[in-house]
Amino acid sequence: GENVEQHPSTLSVQEGDSAVIKCTYSDSASNYFPWYKQELGKGPQLIIDIRSNVGEKKDQRIAVTLNKTAKHFSLHITETQPEDSAVYFCAAKFHSGYALNFGKGTSLLVT
Amino acid sequence: EPEVTQTPSHQVTQMGQEVILRCVPISNHLYFYWYRQILGQKVEFLVSFYNNEISEKSEIFDDQFSVERPDGSNFTLKLWSTKLEDSAMYFCASSERLGAQGYTFGSGTRLTVV
Repeated sequence: GENVEQHPSTLSVQEGDSAVIKCTYSDSASNYFPWYKQELGKGPQLIIDIRSNVGEKKDQRIAVTLNKTAKHFSLHITETQPEDSAVYFCAAKFHSGYALNFGKGTSLLVT
Repeated sequence: EPEVTQTPSHQVTQMGQEVILRCVPISNHLYFYWYRQILGQKVEFLVSFYNNEISEKSEIFDDQFSVERPDGSNFTLKLWSTKLEDSAMYFCASSERLGAQGYTFGSGTRLTVV
């Protein structure tokens, strides 16, 4: 099955700096890659996603890049703010499947 | 903004007891899912449900689990005989179609088996 690896597990940045979280996936047939933000006591909330036919997508301070050849994708948050502090999960979905396969999460702290 | 609603937010049960976790997906969504997250671990897929039947399930989703859509709004996960290792956050999610723009997750039910 699909295996998603996520790094780093924790990330601490100064307010205003950028944060980058990286994920790799194993199944080349995966074609959908969402990123979720999870705040304490809440469910995962979709913040951005990308499909395999696109290399980069940006939404204000958040961007995701995808390298299909290398099977990795990254989340970039610019001008970080304290409210960006949360756990971020990457995920991948096999093209004909229903399941999202999640990474282990990155705890981001913006101080 | 439409939400996925889960009840209860916290459930404590004794080992061996039956538990039902409830979810109200977004009304125009057609695909429904259950995931779980053991404390400190990744979110894991359990099962997906479409057109009143299971469309995919993981190895975790064995005979001690079942899902049901008893009416037009609710989607339930039943654990027939809980074990200590079932203690986790259980998240319900729904999507408008397969491969849609993201899955909307509920806030979860924390299940504690004692």
